[in-house]
Amino acid sequence: GENVEQHPSTLSVQEGDSAVIKCTYSDSASNYFPWYKQELGKRPQLIIDIRSNVGEKKDQRIAVTLNKTAKHFSLHITETQPEDSAVYFCAASRGGATNKLIFGTGTLLAVQP
Amino acid sequence: DTGVSQNPRHKITKRGQNVTFRCDPISEHNRLYWYRQTLGQGPEFLTYFQNEAQLEKSRLLSDRFSAERPKGSFSTLEIQRTEQGDSAMYLCASSVGQGNPEAFFGQGTRLTVV
Repeated sequence: GENVEQHPSTLSVQEGDSAVIKCTYSDSASNYFPWYKQELGKRPQLIIDIRSNVGEKKDQRIAVTLNKTAKHFSLHITETQPEDSAVYFCAASRGGATNKLIFGTGTLLAVQP
Repeated sequence: DTGVSQNPRHKITKRGQNVTFRCDPISEHNRLYWYRQTLGQGPEFLTYFQNEAQLEKSRLLSDRFSAERPKGSFSTLEIQRTEQGDSAMYLCASSVGQGNPEAFFGQGTRLTVV
């Protein structure tokens, strides 16, 4: 069935360092890969996404890469700041009629000042 | 606030009672989704509406769960005969539709069944 694995489950970095979170998906028909940031007690917020016809996308300090052959995609955060501390979720969708999202289990990122 | 709105934010109920949650999507978003999130996990898909039509339901959605979107705008999720295992955060999301898959989430309704 559809499955998204996410690693690591927790990640602690020093302020200014980079952070990388990796996901693997099982459904080869997946073509849309968003990343959400969820602070404690708040809604998941879409921070960046990538579609299967693109290998990399950047938005300021955030970038996402996609390897369709290996069914891997990754989130890269550079120059981390304490306000980046949150739980990050990757997700995959095959688009089409539903666009339902299959989420990973989340990564708790702690940026130490 | 023009984002996705959910009510109530918190609900505590006794086991066996029925509860109903409401979701108001972003205006003009045709697609509406319900997800359930338990502590330490990612959101899990429950059901999906395209306008007023419920087009997909997860196997997670037992027959005690029912969702409606009668006029293609707001949606309700009802849980009958609640069980302790129903305790979770229930999240609603909406998106414009095919070709524009970005989904925006509401703040959720946290259900506690005691």
